[in-house]
Amino acid sequence: NAGVTQTPKFQVLKTGQSMTLQCAQDMNHEYMSWYRQDPGMGLRLIHYSVGAGITDQGEVPNGYNVSRSTTEDFPLRLLSAAPSQTSVYFCASSLQGGVGTDTQYFGPGTRLTVL
Amino acid sequence: DAKTTQPPSMDCAEGRAANLPCNHSTISGNEYVYWYRQIHSQGPQYIIHGLKNNETNEMASLIITEDRKSSTLILPHATLRDTAVYYCIVRVAHGNTGKLIFGQGTTLQVKP
Repeated sequence: NAGVTQTPKFQVLKTGQSMTLQCAQDMNHEYMSWYRQDPGMGLRLIHYSVGAGITDQGEVPNGYNVSRSTTEDFPLRLLSAAPSQTSVYFCASSLQGGVGTDTQYFGPGTRLTVL
Repeated sequence: DAKTTQPPSMDCAEGRAANLPCNHSTISGNEYVYWYRQIHSQGPQYIIHGLKNNETNEMASLIITEDRKSSTLILPHATLRDTAVYYCIVRVAHGNTGKLIFGQGTTLQVKP
């Protein structure tokens, strides 16, 4: 298994541009999520999905859209990039996502800079 | 806000046990304690989790106090590769899912 993969690894955008960060997993996990990590900080939840066709907001959803058309993929879209969205973005997945013993597996991250 | 409190940094000598404390005084009865670590800005890596009993796996041991208000992660023989930020996380209910709320973690420096 490749686990959780993310593309691209690095990206530079200009203010106002849009782009999509890709995330895929091959573990047949139902639960997928996106986090951002600002310098010196812990991770903050942006959006999550409990299965294909179902998404919900996390702590910091503004400026981001998600969709989940397949179990494997969970892309994150930046609608109009702003410098405040400069961060490292991590995608994670887990088998189910319920409270309890479900373990989340993280991808390697996408480092985004917005000028 | 994170439901856990950790010291910002700790040092440990290579080969010795590293004991990382965590306070979670507001933890609820059905909330698990998770530990993840992040090595040099890579994606966080799962270490161990527990509810109320002590747990051990190939990476570490987790000791949870009887009142569940604090816990300690133990790396029995720390190596230089264990240098990382360690996050103690209480997994809270969020709708019908469990949400991981990351704090700022403890930066563990393992020294030769």
